[in-house]
Amino acid sequence: SQTIHQWPATLVQPVGSPLSLECTVEGTSNPNLYWYRQAAGRGLQLLFYSVGIGQISSEVPQNLSASRPQDRQFILSSKKLLLSDSGFYLCAWTRVGLETQYFGPGTRLLVL
Amino acid sequence: SQQGEEDPQALSIQEGENATMNCSYKTSINNLQWYRQNSGRGLVHLILIRSNEREKHSGRLRVTLDTSKKSSSLLITASRAADTASYFCATDDPQVNAGNNRKLIWGLGTSLAVNP
Repeated sequence: SQTIHQWPATLVQPVGSPLSLECTVEGTSNPNLYWYRQAAGRGLQLLFYSVGIGQISSEVPQNLSASRPQDRQFILSSKKLLLSDSGFYLCAWTRVGLETQYFGPGTRLLVL
Repeated sequence: SQQGEEDPQALSIQEGENATMNCSYKTSINNLQWYRQNSGRGLVHLILIRSNEREKHSGRLRVTLDTSKKSSSLLITASRAADTASYFCATDDPQVNAGNNRKLIWGLGTSLAVNP
């Protein structure tokens, strides 16, 4: 069966510090991978998605970036965090032929 | 950008009552999905209805789809305290998802509180 992992679960970072959030998927190959951000009490905002290694599509211009160094690894990064980067970050996967997205447990980021 | 809109934004009911949530969308769709999110957790897929379907059931869940009105409803019957969560609809736009993009368009969600 497939599983998706995200870490860390919670992160408190000062403004201006770097960020690295990791997402890995097990039990499938060549997944489509997605990074979402969810502000408190709000819906999902798609940040990045990837259909293959090294292929990243950005949905919203911002100070975040994403990379996919391996088939089942998706990383969300920032060189300098802003207060507005606080939120709940969710990673999800799907595959060509599937219509459902499967979500990780999320990372709660608080930038102070 | 978000295109789905759920209403109501928040719903509070007593255990045993039925809960109905609605979702409206703006473009053509391949399918519409409903997801559930418990507080502080990831989303979990509940049910998918295709554009050529009008109604679908899964346990205590009933989903309807009216493509002429571009709307869907999710009914949870005989609600339980454990149904307390946020519920999101998501649509799969065939024009957006040419090829293998598989991007979903998400609504803002309905927050459901089921009181024991």
